[in-house]
Amino acid sequence: GAVVSQHPSRVICKSGTSVKIECRSLDFQATTMFWYRQFPKKSLMLMATSNEGSKATYEQGVEKDKFLINHASLTLSTLTVTSAHPEDSSFYICSANGIYNEQFFGPGTRLTVL
Amino acid sequence: AQKVTQAQTEISVVEKEDVTLDCVYETRDTTYYLFWYKQPPSGELVFLIRRNSFDEQNEISGRYSWNFQKSTSSFNFTITASQVVDSAVYFCALSGRRTGTYKYIFGTGTRLKVLA
Repeated sequence: GAVVSQHPSRVICKSGTSVKIECRSLDFQATTMFWYRQFPKKSLMLMATSNEGSKATYEQGVEKDKFLINHASLTLSTLTVTSAHPEDSSFYICSANGIYNEQFFGPGTRLTVL
Repeated sequence: AQKVTQAQTEISVVEKEDVTLDCVYETRDTTYYLFWYKQPPSGELVFLIRRNSFDEQNEISGRYSWNFQKSTSSFNFTITASQVVDSAVYFCALSGRRTGTYKYIFGTGTRLKVLA
């Protein structure tokens, strides 16, 4: 149980395009999901908290117009990187809150912007 | 302030050795949770353990054990008889009301290399 999937697992895009990453809780409902960014050999940096049916809460320094988050249902949250640039290249990880507030993480999406 | 410190950036051991990964935390919450996650080279974070602040009992799961000591604000993780498959980055994390909606504060991680 408590499986979280992410799609795609890897994406390469041209600079200026937008990329959408999906995060799904497969066997449980999650009112809260989180989006993280991880640079090579670094820790996870929380970008935003995604709440079902309401606006996401962004961490300080994260551009909400750049990283659009939508949590349309109890099992799906999406992160759209708009007008991507090479500096947006990173490993993006989502997680979903379990009933004991533990987080279950997706396998991550590696984004490369050329 | 909420903070998690993993002072060991990288540890290398030979297979079958025991190894302890340190985690020290700071929080003003009276109720909080501590976690350990493993991140193998594939990148996916694997949940290892969750411990709440009222439960100081040590935990053992196979070759893994955890020592939680509130007096020293530490939550250390020991792997007994390490194996090559244990090679990964290990993260300690803290959550509590002060972090907001039970968000996690992650440590910087400890990279463990187990050599055959």
